[in-house]
Amino acid sequence: AQKITQTQPGMFVQEKEAVTLDCTYDTSDPSYGLFWYKQPSSGEMIFLIYQGSYDQQNATEGRYSLNFQKARKSANLVISASQLGDSAMYFCAMREGRPRGKLIFGQGTELSVKP
Amino acid sequence: NAGVMQNPRHLVRRRGQEARLRCSPMKGHSHVYWYRQLPEEGLKFMVYLQKENIIDESGMPKERFSAEFPKEGPSILRIQQVVRGDSAAYFCASSPPGQPQHFGDGTRLSIL
Repeated sequence: AQKITQTQPGMFVQEKEAVTLDCTYDTSDPSYGLFWYKQPSSGEMIFLIYQGSYDQQNATEGRYSLNFQKARKSANLVISASQLGDSAMYFCAMREGRPRGKLIFGQGTELSVKP
Repeated sequence: NAGVMQNPRHLVRRRGQEARLRCSPMKGHSHVYWYRQLPEEGLKFMVYLQKENIIDESGMPKERFSAEFPKEGPSILRIQQVVRGDSAAYFCASSPPGQPQHFGDGTRLSIL
């Protein structure tokens, strides 16, 4: 079974609008972490945002926020006021179990921001 | 603060040769992780190391692949007798204990 599922292979958004990238996860571990990374065409992996399973509030980092719905096992990334530089692949990842090191990644969503 | 440093950025090897990929973690980070990304796919975990210890190698192929993180110097991912299927981007990440991982720019390995 897929541990991390990103159902949107590609997304388009108009510049300055908000966009939501979907991520669902599957785990039986009560303690886990959820991460989003951005991979531009240049290839590097850039950490964006983190949500812990026990965190009461949704994580926010600048224009990025994580819509964490624990009962639905979803951790959607919301990017507000999209910019052309946001065009990239976005990966959702989960860390679970022990030892707490391994990240499990989804297949990614390619976001294209239109001017 | 320098980020995670990987070298080389690109590496070309012929089938049967050895590939050595190096990773220097961010200053103050004692945990190192290696991931592999095949074209059009997400990253797949390979191995998690602390200084002189392998913590989790559940993602490492059983043969030809090895990793180390010595007391002094960078972490090394070593692939012996490379085959075409080893062509991929190899990413190293580092973190303090329990903190988000920060990635290097990756090494693109091409096998001729």
